[in-house]
Amino acid sequence: GENVEQHPSTLSVQEGDSAVIKCTYSDSASNYFPWYKQELGKRPQLIIDIRSNVGEKKDQRIAVTLNKTAKHFSLHITETQPEDSAVYFCAALLLNNNDMRFGAGTRLTVKP
Amino acid sequence: EAQVTQNPRYLITVTGKKLTVTCSQNMNHEYMSWYRQDPGLGLRQIYYSMNVEVTDKGDVPEGYKVSRKEKRNFPLILESPSPNQTSLYFCASNPAQGRGRDTEAFFGQGTRLTVV
Repeated sequence: GENVEQHPSTLSVQEGDSAVIKCTYSDSASNYFPWYKQELGKRPQLIIDIRSNVGEKKDQRIAVTLNKTAKHFSLHITETQPEDSAVYFCAALLLNNNDMRFGAGTRLTVKP
Repeated sequence: EAQVTQNPRYLITVTGKKLTVTCSQNMNHEYMSWYRQDPGLGLRQIYYSMNVEVTDKGDVPEGYKVSRKEKRNFPLILESPSPNQTSLYFCASNPAQGRGRDTEAFFGQGTRLTVV
């Protein structure tokens, strides 16, 4: 089955700096890669996603890049703000059975 | 309002006492799944269902059962709970992947289970 690895497990940045979280996946059949943000005590919510026919996608201060050959994708947050502090999960969706697997999560702390 | 509803939100129970956590979605999604979230381990999939009467094991299915008799409901059953099943549980649903269709997974509010 699919295996998703995520790094780093914790990340601390100063407000205004950029943050990058990286994930790798094992199954080349995966074709959908979402990122979820989980604020303290809340449910995970989708913030951005990318399909395998696209190399990069941007939405204001967040962007995701995908390297299909290397089987890795990354989340980039620019001009970080304290409200970006949360746990971020990457995921990969298997083409054949719609089975979504998550990385272990990255706890991002943005210091004011 | 599109949503996934889990109940209960919090539960403290004793070892061996059967319990069920309910999950219901109103978006007519084909795919539903259960995850447990533990510190440092992220979201680990317990079971998933691709449609009615179709269920399959995820990464950590031991000690759990599920059923999918109707499209909207996907209950998680712990026949004989043990302390190592103390965790935060999330139900999620998403539509079957298809051309042009959104594949976003919607999560329930979570159920914090403590087994003593």
